[in-house]
Amino acid sequence: QLQLQESGSGLLRPSQTLSLTCAVSGGSINSGGYSWSWIRQPPGKGLEWIGYIYLSGTTYYSPSLKSRVTISVDKSKNQLFLRLGSVTAADTAYYYCARVNLQMGRSLDIWGQGTMVAVSS
Amino acid sequence: QSVLTQPPSASGTPGQRVTISCSGSTSNIGSNTIKWYQHFPGTAPKLLIYSDDQRPSGVPDRFSGSKSGTSASLAISGLQSEDEADYYCEAWDDSLNGSVFGTGTKVTVL
Repeated sequence: QLQLQESGSGLLRPSQTLSLTCAVSGGSINSGGYSWSWIRQPPGKGLEWIGYIYLSGTTYYSPSLKSRVTISVDKSKNQLFLRLGSVTAADTAYYYCARVNLQMGRSLDIWGQGTMVAVSS
Repeated sequence: QSVLTQPPSASGTPGQRVTISCSGSTSNIGSNTIKWYQHFPGTAPKLLIYSDDQRPSGVPDRFSGSKSGTSASLAISGLQSEDEADYYCEAWDDSLNGSVFGTGTKVTVL
């Protein structure tokens, strides 16, 4: 059973860079038919899509975050990464990684439990 | 600000049918498939519906999805107490060249 586990910086100061890792276990991040995604949820608000990365390396990002975000994959380590630069309090959120099932309508079919990131001075 | 609009809340008594709407535009719902997720805060969201009306294995048939034009709906029939959660629609948006979630609907079982 594929499992995803997020980890990374829990508390940041404004202007720092958020760095998160999503460890994939029980399967390969390099499996055909899938891509990978990051999603976040600020406290008291709804889900917000951050971006996708395909195995080819092609990325798609939310227009509102595009100038600050990078999603990457290390296939040898079976890990997915998120970097978000110049963070502010508005980036305080629960961050989730998820698998994108390209054969099921590009749906997010497996999610990690999420990790909380707080930005505060 | 999401481009997919959902009612903030919906409710029903056990056994009733509850419907949640998701309103978008030609660049998202009108030209791409809809997904629906169930989310209990603090836990991993769960995929309920993909490709407008398809259920992944393991999702009860009490959950059903439909789409017409630029709107979509999720119906929960035979409402149960464990259905009390937040529900989100999601679709790719061709204009944004990215995916978008709906504003979310909190379902309460009375």
